[in-house]
Amino acid sequence: GENVEQHPSTLSVQEGDSAVIKCTYSDSASNYFPWYKQELGKGPQLIIDIRSNVGEKKDQRIAVTLNKTAKHFSLHITETQPEDSAVYFCAAGGNQFYFGTGTSLTVIP
Amino acid sequence: DAGVIQSPRHEVTEMGQEVTLRCKPISGHDYLFWYRQTMMRGLELLIYFNNNVPIDDSGMPEDRFSAKMPNASFSTLKIQPSEPRDSAVYFCASSYRGGYTFGSGTRLTVV
Repeated sequence: GENVEQHPSTLSVQEGDSAVIKCTYSDSASNYFPWYKQELGKGPQLIIDIRSNVGEKKDQRIAVTLNKTAKHFSLHITETQPEDSAVYFCAAGGNQFYFGTGTSLTVIP
Repeated sequence: DAGVIQSPRHEVTEMGQEVTLRCKPISGHDYLFWYRQTMMRGLELLIYFNNNVPIDDSGMPEDRFSAKMPNASFSTLKIQPSEPRDSAVYFCASSYRGGYTFGSGTRLTVV
């Protein structure tokens, strides 16, 4: 089965700085890579996704990059704000996803 | 759309009791997933359905767990008998050609 590793497990940045979270996956058949944000007491919310035929995707302050050869993908958040503080999960798969272990991001005002 | 609806939001039960968690997926979504989230193990896929048919239940911890999807708008996850180690947040998610939409979860505490 798929194995998704995520780093770092915790990340603190100053407001306005950038944050980068990295994930690797093992199954070359995986073709869909979503990212989720989970706030305290809530379910994970999809924030951005990328498919295997695309190398990069951007949505305002959030971008995701994918390197299929190396089997890794990353989430980039620019101009971070305190409301970006949450746990972020990467996932990889097709019809079913395997999740990384999460990154707790803290944006310090 | 109201999103994925789960009930109850919180459940406290005594060890040995039966617990039933409920989920209403988004209309038109053809996949439904049950996940369990704990600090130790993160998000674990328990079972998923496609068009109401169970496809993969290899994540179900043991025979005490069972899930059904009698129609496209309703699913249940049942634990009988419950044990303290079942305490976790249980999420239901649905999807159609893409990322999941998660419900708000049911926080289960077994004492």
